[in-house]
Amino acid sequence: AQSVTQLDSQVPVFEEAPVELRCNYSSSVSVYLFWYVQYPNQGLQLLLKYLSGSTLVKGINGFEAEFNKSQTSFHLRKPSVHISDTAEYFCAVSDSNDYKLSFGAGTTVTVRA
Amino acid sequence: GAGVSQSPSNKVTEKGKDVELRCDPISGHTALYWYRQSLGQGLEFLIYFQGNSAPDKSGLPSDRFSAERTGGSVSTLTIQRTQQEDSAVYLCASSPSGGVTGELFFGEGSRLTVL
Repeated sequence: AQSVTQLDSQVPVFEEAPVELRCNYSSSVSVYLFWYVQYPNQGLQLLLKYLSGSTLVKGINGFEAEFNKSQTSFHLRKPSVHISDTAEYFCAVSDSNDYKLSFGAGTTVTVRA
Repeated sequence: GAGVSQSPSNKVTEKGKDVELRCDPISGHTALYWYRQSLGQGLEFLIYFQGNSAPDKSGLPSDRFSAERTGGSVSTLTIQRTQQEDSAVYLCASSPSGGVTGELFFGEGSRLTVL
């Protein structure tokens, strides 16, 4: 089974500043990668996913992530955040032949005016 | 509603009592997952149902935990003789297919507090 490390538990950021959330996973031959977001008092929802193809993946709300196989990373970025991006963000990974997702511990992003 | 529905949203119980948590997945979704989210930790896989296949129970932490899915739809997670370490948010998710190439749709969770 995969393991996932989110290197930052809390990320405070000012509105309109860029943000990067780091995610590393244990090595495997072939993986699927995901970022989920959990807004306050809501369920998790998919932000973006990498299955194959281009290593740069674009998701909803202006987020993007880059798959780096050599570094086993899948960092999430947004060039300019809004107050409404305040949420908890979870990186998740699965082996391509497995239906179980392994989640990281989450990164809480707090956007301040 | 059209989303995954979980009940109760909050449950406070005394140590040693049994609890049942319910999940109504999105209609037509064949796959159903239970995860547990403890404070400061990631989501921990508990159990997976796919259609009429035998469930994958490999994530259940002890024999006090059990789950069933009736008619390929509603699922109930039961925790017997609850312990304080069972306090967590229990999340249910469904998916239209069995694999994870698609999206998991999560409910808002059931927060369990064991006193």
